[in-house]
Amino acid sequence: ETGVTQTPRHLVMGMTNKKSLKCEQHLGHNAMYWYKQSAKKPLELMFVYNFKEQTENNSVPSRFSPECPNSSHLFLHLHTLQPEDSALYLCASSQDRTLTWGIYFGEGSWLTVV
Amino acid sequence: GIQVEQSPPDLILQEGANSTLRCNFSDSVNNLQWFHQNPWGQLINLFYIPSGTKQNGRLSATTVATERYSLLYISSSQTTDSGVYFCAAFSGGYQKVTFGTGTKLQVIP
Repeated sequence: ETGVTQTPRHLVMGMTNKKSLKCEQHLGHNAMYWYKQSAKKPLELMFVYNFKEQTENNSVPSRFSPECPNSSHLFLHLHTLQPEDSALYLCASSQDRTLTWGIYFGEGSWLTVV
Repeated sequence: GIQVEQSPPDLILQEGANSTLRCNFSDSVNNLQWFHQNPWGQLINLFYIPSGTKQNGRLSATTVATERYSLLYISSSQTTDSGVYFCAAFSGGYQKVTFGTGTKLQVIP
């Protein structure tokens, strides 16, 4: 599936760096999500955007800053991260927040904080 | 909130074998989705199956919502089937997605 694309696929950053993850969906969906997947843990929902508006922030530290300029694009800006933030970050989209037709994921961005 | 449990947690199969993965959920759900996470991390959508049975090639899935479980069948397994299989249950008005803990499948030649 190439409906949701994420870049970069791999990122190594120092704790003082600033970087961004990008997500683009080509499915005509209106809701977009960021999930975090750490080793041995279930997927954690981080942020939800519906029609460009943030509708959910699951107590995510402020060093993670999302941005949704339009319904097709979602960014996750990263700054002053910690080594424990190393994880797989997954972007997803759905038709809308009712998830009537399911949720679709991108390929993921592997983040390593050194 | 709703609990989603998957079994078995780990499974090793000889290539060509069949298997059944199970997903139990603790409360009523509106919908259920199965995913395959490949070794590169991508979560690939397999089935969107709130009830009934669907088939796609060697894979099929059945959800019995009234009994709160879903099954994923893999027939004639191939090494490319290796990875982690997740089910996700959708519940609530503005649907909350709850993922199971996954079944890690390894298919050996």
